Amino acid sequence: DAGVTQSPTHLIKTRGQQVTLRCSPISGHKSVSWYQQVLGQGPQFIFQYYEKEERGRGNFPDRFSARQFPNYSSELNVNALLLGDSALYLCASSKLLAGETSYNEQFFGPGTRLTVL
Amino acid sequence: GENVEQHPSTLSVQEGDSAVIKCTYSDSASNYFPWYKQELGKRPQLIIDIRSNVGEKKDQRIAVTLNKTAKHFSLHITETQPEDSAVYFCAGRGSTLGRLYFGRGTQLTVWP
Repeated sequence: DAGVTQSPTHLIKTRGQQVTLRCSPISGHKSVSWYQQVLGQGPQFIFQYYEKEERGRGNFPDRFSARQFPNYSSELNVNALLLGDSALYLCASSKLLAGETSYNEQFFGPGTRLTVL
Repeated sequence: GENVEQHPSTLSVQEGDSAVIKCTYSDSASNYFPWYKQELGKRPQLIIDIRSNVGEKKDQRIAVTLNKTAKHFSLHITETQPEDSAVYFCAGRGSTLGRLYFGRGTQLTVWP
């Protein structure tokens, strides 16, 4: 089975632009979470989706939005980019929502490196 | 929400020595604590995890211990090898859905 895949690998944008990042979970996984990892820090939770519904949101502004499609893939959108949005954006998939099983491993994709100039 | 603190931020050991990384958490309802290894430019990879109903778990050279009373957990790597060099992140899952709260990471360097 293929692991979590993300596209694009790298992206360079300028301030004020908009960006869309894509994620395909492991086959059979229904939950997708997005994390932002700034250089030198641990990943910070942005969103979690399960069965196409948002089930959790981290402390990020409304410029960040996401959605999940019927095939469980997901997109993360960021509007009005700021220099501080430069980071590695990680997608993680898991089989079920934590409420259904307490021990629900999350597997990460390779990430999208976003640079905002 | 949950707050996970991780120490040390950097750790250098000689090949063959042991390495220990410690984390504390704030949410007593947290029930799942994974550890991830991230090599430069690569994705975080789950190396071991522990659930709140277990005090210790071991997988070959890697072990994790959990003290629920003190709200801390530790990663132990024995017989370290140069390929163990990476950034290690601890994480906790709080009472809210499946989100993970990560520590700031430990850069482990194993010298040959």
